[in-house]
Amino acid sequence: GDSVTQMEGPVTLSEEAFLTINCTYTATGYPSLFWYVQYPGEGLQLLLKATKADDKGSNKGFEATYRKETTSFHLEKGSVQVSDSAVYFCALPPMDTGRRALTFGSGTRLQVQP
Amino acid sequence: NAGVTQTPKFRILKIGQSMTLQCTQDMNHNYMYWYRQDPGMGLKLIYYSVGAGITDKGEVPNGYNVSRSTTEDFPLRLELAAPSQTSVYFCASSSRPGNEQFFGPGTRLTVL
Repeated sequence: GDSVTQMEGPVTLSEEAFLTINCTYTATGYPSLFWYVQYPGEGLQLLLKATKADDKGSNKGFEATYRKETTSFHLEKGSVQVSDSAVYFCALPPMDTGRRALTFGSGTRLQVQP
Repeated sequence: NAGVTQTPKFRILKIGQSMTLQCTQDMNHNYMYWYRQDPGMGLKLIYYSVGAGITDKGEVPNGYNVSRSTTEDFPLRLELAAPSQTSVYFCASSSRPGNEQFFGPGTRLTVL
């Protein structure tokens, strides 16, 4: 079945450091891919998405490229800020009957120190 | 445009009590979902609905019930609360299963 594997956290970085959070997936076909962010005490928000192979999603300085060959969708940011401290989830939609929900990774907690 | 709203934000229940978590969306989405998130963990799907009158079980449905009488509302019912149901509950909606989901702010439930 469909699955998403994310790198474990927490990831602790200093402000202005480079960020990579790895995400790989197993799915039938070529689904859209999503990154969600959850700030402390809040619900999940869509951060960015890619709908087909080689697409690059971007938002708020974050980027992720849909790599079909490596079934990956790694999240990157060139210079993190304290305000980026949150939990990040990689997710893919269902590809079978379409009656089920997104498959989420386990989440990666990012802590950015000033 | 409010998106997905949930009430209450916080609740403490005693073992054996019942309650209903409310969820409403104003985006005319057919698909709605209930998740629970335990501390430090990812999300687990409890129930989902593909339209008014149609619901189905997710990953962890035991101890919960849902109904969907309108497109807008998707309440989650806990009949006999247990400590294992202490969690944060999120409601979400989407226009299609392959599209992004929009999440509510969550309900933090503690069962003592």
